[in-house]
Amino acid sequence: LAKTTQPISMDSYEGQEVNITCSHNNIATNDYITWYQQFPSQGPRFIIQGYKTKVTNEVASLFIPADRKSSTLSLPRVSLSDTAVYYCLVGDFYSSASKIIFGSGTRLSIRP
Amino acid sequence: DTEVTQTPKHLVMGMTNKKSLKCEQHMGHRAMYWYKQKAKKPPELMFVYSYEKLSINESVPSRFSPECPNSSLLNLHLHALQPEDSALYLCASSQVPAGNTQYFGPGTRLTVL
Repeated sequence: LAKTTQPISMDSYEGQEVNITCSHNNIATNDYITWYQQFPSQGPRFIIQGYKTKVTNEVASLFIPADRKSSTLSLPRVSLSDTAVYYCLVGDFYSSASKIIFGSGTRLSIRP
Repeated sequence: DTEVTQTPKHLVMGMTNKKSLKCEQHMGHRAMYWYKQKAKKPPELMFVYSYEKLSINESVPSRFSPECPNSSLLNLHLHALQPEDSALYLCASSQVPAGNTQYFGPGTRLTVL
């Protein structure tokens, strides 16, 4: 499984766009990039997944450059409720019952 | 129904007790997972069941014993735990192959005295 590196913490303000970058230099051809969000004392929640270029859903966008050695999760117009830990995971999630190894995550704090 | 339920929400047990954690999903997922999460740390994978068979055991001590009685249920039997086993225990499920999403339950907060 590819190792990921993320900033330990980030701060921002309500209404701003937040971009969290994840480094995964040894990503493999079959690997996908997935982001989870976790609030205190709750289980992680899937946010978005991509393989290359850009993916957008109702919650976030994921930007993946051509070399796929990094990815950026973009949260538009954040609110206080976006304060959480965000995990970037890289792996071949389409193999059978695969492991998911969580990295250290990014603790995002949103201020009023 | 995209919910994974876990019971109990909180559990306090002594080191000589035997207890069980329960997890249930009705999404038709055939892969189920146990994770352990210590405070301010990421979840750590413990076990994976695929089609009700144990497929991954991440070298977890034998005082943790998983069981998958059917495709909707996952148990974690606890015996002779240590105080350092106190943590949030998370259950998750996914389709097989794992695909893009694991659905997590809210967890059981375990305290071992």
